[in-house]
Amino acid sequence: DQQVKQNSPSLSVQEGRISILNCDYTNSMFDYFLWYKKYPAEGPTFLISISSIKDKNEDGRFTVFLNKSAKHLSLHIVPSQPGDSAVYFCAASAFSGSRLTFGEGTQLTVNP
Amino acid sequence: SQTIHQWPATLVQPVGSPLSLECTVEGTSNPNLYWYRQAAGRGLQLLFYSVGIGQISSEVPQNLSASRPQDRQFILSSKKLLLSDSGFYLCAWSVPPQKGEQYFGPGTRLTVT
Repeated sequence: DQQVKQNSPSLSVQEGRISILNCDYTNSMFDYFLWYKKYPAEGPTFLISISSIKDKNEDGRFTVFLNKSAKHLSLHIVPSQPGDSAVYFCAASAFSGSRLTFGEGTQLTVNP
Repeated sequence: SQTIHQWPATLVQPVGSPLSLECTVEGTSNPNLYWYRQAAGRGLQLLFYSVGIGQISSEVPQNLSASRPQDRQFILSSKKLLLSDSGFYLCAWSVPPQKGEQYFGPGTRLTVT
C-alpha cells in the first residue's frame, strides 16, 4: 500500500519558468510533510517542510502548498534553474513517531 | 555541526557473500537512526530504524539485519547476499522527538553479482 504517491516520474521545464511537483497521500494520520532533493549517487537533502496546521510555507524560490481536504501537496520552484535538476521526493510523517514515508520521486529536468 | 558518514561508497559483492555497511553520526547525541534502500528507478524504502542502543525495528522482512552497538553507530549486515539486495543504501538520522526532518548520509552503492 503506497501511502505517499508521486504520480509523475518526470517533469521537464525551461529555465526561468515555474516547476510544479505534485504529491498525494492516503493516510489521514499524516500531519507533517517534507520535500527532499536528491542528486545521483548522493543522499537526499532536506528542502522544505510544512505542518498540517498551515496550507503554505515559503523559503526563497521554493513554496510548498498543502490541501488537506484533497490530501495533496505540491512544491513550486520559481524561477527554475538548471541546478534544480534532480529527483524530488515527497515524504510524510504522523504524530505517532518520526518515521517518514516517501513517495517514489519525480525527476525534474530544467533546460537552459 | 552534525555530520553523518557512510562507508564504503561503493561495493561489489558476489551472491552468497556477507555484507557489512557502517554508518556513524557526529555532533549529536541519542539520535534516531535509519537505514533506507533505493532500488533502481524506485523510491526510498525504510529498512530499519533505531531509537537507541540495541533497539532495532525492522520494517520489511528480508535478507538483511541491523545493529546499533553504540549511540552513534548503525550497522547494516547480511550473512548471504542475494541479487535482489543490489541498490543504493542510505543511512539517516533525526533528533527525537522531532517528527520531521531526517538528514541523510552520502550512501553506499551495492552491486551484487
